Amino acid sequence: QSALTQPASVSGSPGQSIAISCTGTSSDIGSYNYVSWYQQHPGKAPKLMIYDVTNRPSGVSNRFSGSKSGNRASLTISGLQAEDEADYYCSSFTTNTTLVFGTGTRVTVL
Amino acid sequence: QVQLVQSGSELKKPGASVKVSCKASGYTFTTYAINWVRQAPGQGLEWIGWINTHTGIPTYAPGFTGRFVLSLDTSVSTAYLQISSLETEDTAVYSCARDQSRKALDYWGQGTLVTVSS
Repeated sequence: QSALTQPASVSGSPGQSIAISCTGTSSDIGSYNYVSWYQQHPGKAPKLMIYDVTNRPSGVSNRFSGSKSGNRASLTISGLQAEDEADYYCSSFTTNTTLVFGTGTRVTVL
Repeated sequence: QVQLVQSGSELKKPGASVKVSCKASGYTFTTYAINWVRQAPGQGLEWIGWINTHTGIPTYAPGFTGRFVLSLDTSVSTAYLQISSLETEDTAVYSCARDQSRKALDYWGQGTLVTVSS
């Protein structure tokens, strides 16, 4: 299975909104609303930010939101803050009952 | 509180085997599946597979069949990842993660660095 496609990097100034795309196929993102997003700071474990496309776990800021259309999902970070600088990964359940991660996006706060 | 605590770093020679453990606490172990993820230095996340903690049945990602084996010891709430015939390309951080539902991984272990070098 191929990794989901994400842009290598996205940047924005504090207070701005940015969006990270995650492109898959009809065998993964297109088949299920089981898309998750993870934030990973250097040397740390990934942190679940969004699950089931749009849901935020308890404790995750409402500045983070998710959406999906067809084979493409997106993570939007509004009111960008310095602490949001990290790597972000999407993931999706697949029709083979496996999980596939995205290629990862480095978010830089200018 | 929910915790997944993994075993410490390993240095192995090519061809050797390694077994990484992941001890769960703070919840009923058999209620949630455990997934394993690999991250090579400077690279992204790769899904290795998951194990049903109720039945003990594992499922592997393509490319992780044969040398990778997932197992459990429910008596001590621990999941294991064993890798045989290690290759230098297996050098990575290996992490376990709890599946809250539908492959959303809500709690992660601290990661175990496995270094394969002659």
